[in-house]
Amino acid sequence: DSGVTQTPKHLITATGQRVTLRCSPRSGDLSVYWYQQSLDQGLQFLIQYYNGEERAKGNILERFSAQQFPDLHSELNLSSLELGDSALYFCASSVADRTLETQYFGPGTRLLVL
Amino acid sequence: GQQLNQSPQSMFIQEGEDVSMNCTSSSIFNTWLWYKQDPGEGPVLLIALYKAGELTSNGRLTAQFGITRKDSFLNISASIPSDVGIYFCAAVTSGTYKYIFGTGTRLKVLA
Repeated sequence: DSGVTQTPKHLITATGQRVTLRCSPRSGDLSVYWYQQSLDQGLQFLIQYYNGEERAKGNILERFSAQQFPDLHSELNLSSLELGDSALYFCASSVADRTLETQYFGPGTRLLVL
Repeated sequence: GQQLNQSPQSMFIQEGEDVSMNCTSSSIFNTWLWYKQDPGEGPVLLIALYKAGELTSNGRLTAQFGITRKDSFLNISASIPSDVGIYFCAAVTSGTYKYIFGTGTRLKVLA
């Protein structure tokens, strides 16, 4: 158990809908990262938050957004969903110490768009 | 942009054999990490490397941070059936928190 929790574990929805994925980082971790993993694909970095502020952006679509709350949990919002958005979405967290930077991953949310 | 070339893409091995996989890049990194991912699960950190030339072991796993800072390898000795899964390398550039992941090595162990 990495200490990172994600809910829900599974999500089935229809095209055009909007969903929210939630992540709670490990205790003491200030940074949260979101990744998308499509079938048989590697992990694509979407976005990073550090202590409530956006720190880095990757290949995140404009239909997607995220935020990190004062209690450090984070939400990833996916809107106007398309079939191609079906994937595993992982959250990871880290202390964000500049010298020893290691990310720990949650179990993921499997999103299926029908 | 930066990318990691991970090889092999997949491999079948007999139980008890040693396994070797590597990651290379044209870019320099200051941290290399190796993760294992089981089907439907999140990646689990196996080994983290923070200094060029560093050789680190975790049980039957050994990983090295290449001296040029552009590559890393992972060895698994005396493989067992539970070693099955996808192994990802990841690298981080100094001054950023952005991870770049390799495309993964899918390992299958034949009993």
